[in-house]
Amino acid sequence: DADVTQTPRNRITKTGKRIMLECSQTKGHDRMYWYRQDPGLGLRLIYYSFDVKDINKGEISDGYSVSRQAQAKFSLSLESAIPNQTALYFCATSDFTGLNGYTFGSGTRLTVV
Amino acid sequence: RKEVEQDPGPFNVPEGATVAFNCTYSNSASQSFFWYRQDCRKEPKLLMSVYSSGNEDGRFTAQLNRASQYISLLIRDSKLSDSATYLCVVNPAGNNRKLIWGLGTSLAVNP
Repeated sequence: DADVTQTPRNRITKTGKRIMLECSQTKGHDRMYWYRQDPGLGLRLIYYSFDVKDINKGEISDGYSVSRQAQAKFSLSLESAIPNQTALYFCATSDFTGLNGYTFGSGTRLTVV
Repeated sequence: RKEVEQDPGPFNVPEGATVAFNCTYSNSASQSFFWYRQDCRKEPKLLMSVYSSGNEDGRFTAQLNRASQYISLLIRDSKLSDSATYLCVVNPAGNNRKLIWGLGTSLAVNP
């Protein structure tokens, strides 16, 4: 099994729908992150969590919310999906130092029509 | 100045060539550095960490130059399978550490 698992792998949804992307990890890491990636824009941080009781906005949090249900689980919600949220979404984890880099999930390809 | 800057490329090289990428960073107090590899529409994967003394892993060599605030990645004897985007990543100083990601350098190795 993968260290960081994201579900679903692909999703097509309609404008205005609420959608949740889920992430679970077996690394035992405290820190978890949600990124989106768009062509030419690189990885952009949406939200991050340094432990279960800690949630922080990243650089592009508008239109998104998160929930850290447990150390191993961090979900991302789009409250009312819009077409410009069409992107590749990645969940990542790291230990508390960040000195060993991040481990990424395989990504969720989301299309909002 | 961007926190992490990379030449986007693309770098087109023949098989067997040696290719080098540089990446500059703005925070002189940055603590650790990485190169990640990302294949098209796949997740980034750690290629190697970059240490002050430099490090080598097979055909890949990473160097850090703190005085000039850049890191480099050298790939020798390029393979077709090396075609990917290479992301430069910096861990800034401070307790609230989040990695800072470059936009990536695209490499295409041609037969």
